[in-house]
Amino acid sequence: GAVVSQHPSWVICKSGTSVKIECRSLDFQATTMFWYRQFPKQSLMLMATSNEGSKATYEQGVEKDKFLINHASLTLSTLTVTSAHPEDSSFYICSARVGSSYEQYFGPGTRLTVT
Amino acid sequence: AQKVTQAQTEISVVEKEDVTLDCVYETRDTTYYLFWYKQPPSGELVFLIRRNSFDEQNEISGRYSWNFQKSTSSFNFTITASQVVDSAVYFCALSEASIGTASKLTFGTGTRLQVTL
Repeated sequence: GAVVSQHPSWVICKSGTSVKIECRSLDFQATTMFWYRQFPKQSLMLMATSNEGSKATYEQGVEKDKFLINHASLTLSTLTVTSAHPEDSSFYICSARVGSSYEQYFGPGTRLTVT
Repeated sequence: AQKVTQAQTEISVVEKEDVTLDCVYETRDTTYYLFWYKQPPSGELVFLIRRNSFDEQNEISGRYSWNFQKSTSSFNFTITASQVVDSAVYFCALSEASIGTASKLTFGTGTRLQVTL
């Protein structure tokens, strides 16, 4: 149980275009989902926290107009990178939490390359 | 603010050696959770253990063991008789349990473990 999927697993896009990444909890309802970014050989940095049906809470330094997060249902959250630039190339990982549990279940990640 | 420090950037050992990965944390909360994750080259995070701040009992799971010491704010991870398949980046993480923090995880910078034959 507690499986989280991400789609796509990898994507290449041209500079200036937008790309959407999906995060789904497959066998449980996730009240809260988290989005992380990991640059090569670096740690995971929390970008934002999203709760179903409400606006996401962004960490300091993360541009909310550039990284649009939509948590439309208890099983789906999406991250849209708008007007992507090469410096947005990174590994994006989502996680999902059940209720008030302190356990987070991580997705397999999405590798974004912007050319 | 919470902080997790993994001072060892990279460790290289020969198979069958024991290796300990260090983790030191900082938090003002009295209730918190500590985690270890493994990230193999594929990138997917693999959950290894969660420990709450009130449980200082050490844990052993097969070749893995964890030593939690609140007095030194450390949560070290030991792999006994390491194997090539243990090669990965290992992250220590901390989650505060205060209301409103929404269980945010703060990750350490990770330790890259390479196990060679």
